[in-house]
Amino acid sequence: GAVVSQHPSWVICKSGTSVKIECRSLDFQATTMFWYRQFPKQSLMLMATSNEGSKATYEQGVEKDKFLINHASLTLSTLTVTSAHPEDSSFYICSYMGLPQTYEQYFGPGTRLTVT
Amino acid sequence: DAKTTQPNSMESNEEEPVHLPCNHSTISGTDYIHWYRQLPSQGPEYVIHGLTSNVNNRMASLAIAEDRKSSTLILHRATLRDAAVYYCIRNVNFGNEKLTFGTGTRLTIIP
Repeated sequence: GAVVSQHPSWVICKSGTSVKIECRSLDFQATTMFWYRQFPKQSLMLMATSNEGSKATYEQGVEKDKFLINHASLTLSTLTVTSAHPEDSSFYICSYMGLPQTYEQYFGPGTRLTVT
Repeated sequence: DAKTTQPNSMESNEEEPVHLPCNHSTISGTDYIHWYRQLPSQGPEYVIHGLTSNVNNRMASLAIAEDRKSSTLILHRATLRDAAVYYCIRNVNFGNEKLTFGTGTRLTIIP
């Protein structure tokens, strides 16, 4: 299967600061990617969908000005949590649909964010 | 709305088969059934998918009811590494369709 990496794997930041999470596809090019958030003992919740070179589409209830997504290339997408607060502490996971489009999504290993 | 129903948890003995059920009674004719699993502190990984016919791959088998209102993921010989949360997801298989995760089934393997 395709390999997706995320960096960092975990991060601790202070309230009010911003954090950038990178998601890279290592062995294929992807036009569509997804960002999910997972709180402890809960399921994954889709935050946004983005296509390379265009703006992301955010799910209802997700603040686009707070969670900035940049999908500038077919191998790199970034999620920036701006002005982070403790309630933003969560497990953030990216996934890609490969080219050509397949039935399978490839997920990254996740980034655990803790805001103090 | 995940549109699927799964038991919250199941247990199985190591080296025995495991049958994980999923109900999707409102499934439409073009919806595929996908299974993903999530090991602790990791991102999900694809397990298997199908439309109407039963499917087999190196990880598991997928048995789909004739009326397609339910399906069963079968792990033929569970190992400790199969302990995970298993998600049954239905979606239109057009490639870019977003996946809606339900609560899944937490599978515990007993040594």
